[in-house]
Amino acid sequence: ETGVTQTPRHLVMGMTNKKSLKCEQHLGHNAMYWYKQSAKKPLELMFVYNFKEQTENNSVPSRFSPECPNSSHLFLHLHTLQPEDSALYLCASSRLAGFDNEQFFGPGTRLTVL
Amino acid sequence: QQQVKQSPQSLIVQKGGISIINCAYENTAFDYFPWYQQFPGKGPALLIAIRPDVSEKKEGRFTISFNKSAKQFSLHIMDSQPGDSATYFCAASTSGSRLTFGEGTQLTVNP
Repeated sequence: ETGVTQTPRHLVMGMTNKKSLKCEQHLGHNAMYWYKQSAKKPLELMFVYNFKEQTENNSVPSRFSPECPNSSHLFLHLHTLQPEDSALYLCASSRLAGFDNEQFFGPGTRLTVL
Repeated sequence: QQQVKQSPQSLIVQKGGISIINCAYENTAFDYFPWYQQFPGKGPALLIAIRPDVSEKKEGRFTISFNKSAKQFSLHIMDSQPGDSATYFCAASTSGSRLTFGEGTQLTVNP
């Protein structure tokens, strides 16, 4: 595996389900990010982790719970989501957490909440 | 003040033509302006980036033009090819701050 990988690529869940998204980066980076991409809207930054520590939470509802066990792995735990949470969730990594460091994105997880 | 306005929302160009996508910003503290390219089923990938100390940066067929006084920057794709068909996002940030993305432009290059 190279670059940034995300699993699953597609996820359909009910509003009462609990699921997790996984991201893994094989680039030796120290910063990881979760973004939400909705149609015809700018990418929305959700969380930033730098050296495993959360450095930014962009006022994300608590039904989204991130976890970063090490600099290579990032999870997004989902529970009691709403239909408006349906979107493409992108993971990214960069060498450091300064935002002018090039961010490398994964292919995303397409989430549908019924 | 953190917004980045991108236009057009969609663009259709003939093969060999020039594609031009524009972005405008308000925050004069922005000092890093990247463009990302996203193909269907893929995540965005950095295409080219510029800092405000230069007015233009060229990499192959891709050029960023930057107008600091007008607070605008644009992406020019020369000799557009069908393989350039993708969604393009402009973005801006200040050092150490989050990237603020534009809404994206869906480019279609017809053969």
